[in-house]
Amino acid sequence: SQTIHQWPATLVQPVGSPLSLECTVEGTSNPNLYWYRQAAGRGLQLLFYSVGIGQISSEVPQNLSASRPQDRQFILSSKKLLLSDSGFYLCAWSRVPLVLSFGSGTRLTVV
Amino acid sequence: AQTVTQSQPEMSVQEAETVTLSCTYDTSESDYYLFWYKQPPSRQMILVIRQEAYKQQNATENRFSVNFQKAAKSFSLKISDSQLGDAAMYFCAYRSAGGSEKLVFGKGTKLTVNP
Repeated sequence: SQTIHQWPATLVQPVGSPLSLECTVEGTSNPNLYWYRQAAGRGLQLLFYSVGIGQISSEVPQNLSASRPQDRQFILSSKKLLLSDSGFYLCAWSRVPLVLSFGSGTRLTVV
Repeated sequence: AQTVTQSQPEMSVQEAETVTLSCTYDTSESDYYLFWYKQPPSRQMILVIRQEAYKQQNATENRFSVNFQKAAKSFSLKISDSQLGDAAMYFCAYRSAGGSEKLVFGKGTKLTVNP
């Protein structure tokens, strides 16, 4: 069966520090991968998606970037965090069109 | 751009009763997909039900069913025989059928189930 791993579960980082969140999928090949952000009191916002290694599409211009160095690995990064980057970050994957499966999320607090 | 609106920030229901969560959306497209996702306290998003816009029949998954009104752009979720485990945030989402990977989410409705 397919599983998705996302870490860390929680993270507190100072303003201006770098960020690296990692997501890996097991049990499938060539999945579509996604990064979503959920701000407090708001719905989910698609940040990035990838249909293959090295292929990244950005939905919202911001302080973040994404990379896909391996087929089942998706990384969300920032060189310098802002207070507004705080939120709940969810990684997701799909192999069958339309069916998104989400990871357990990372709670990021920028202080 | 498509938008999804959930007008009920919070709802509550008695255990074993029925509750309906509202969702409306705005789009100029004729072909699309609609979803309801559940986010329990564990924060992991779980797909509850999905509806293809070209299908007139309302989708059903066990105790969960939808009332899809395409002309009114309405997509409500009905939960029958509510259980304590149904307590969660529920998100309505829209996806174009035109190849875009983007899911547009509403802001969510927090459902409380009272014993």
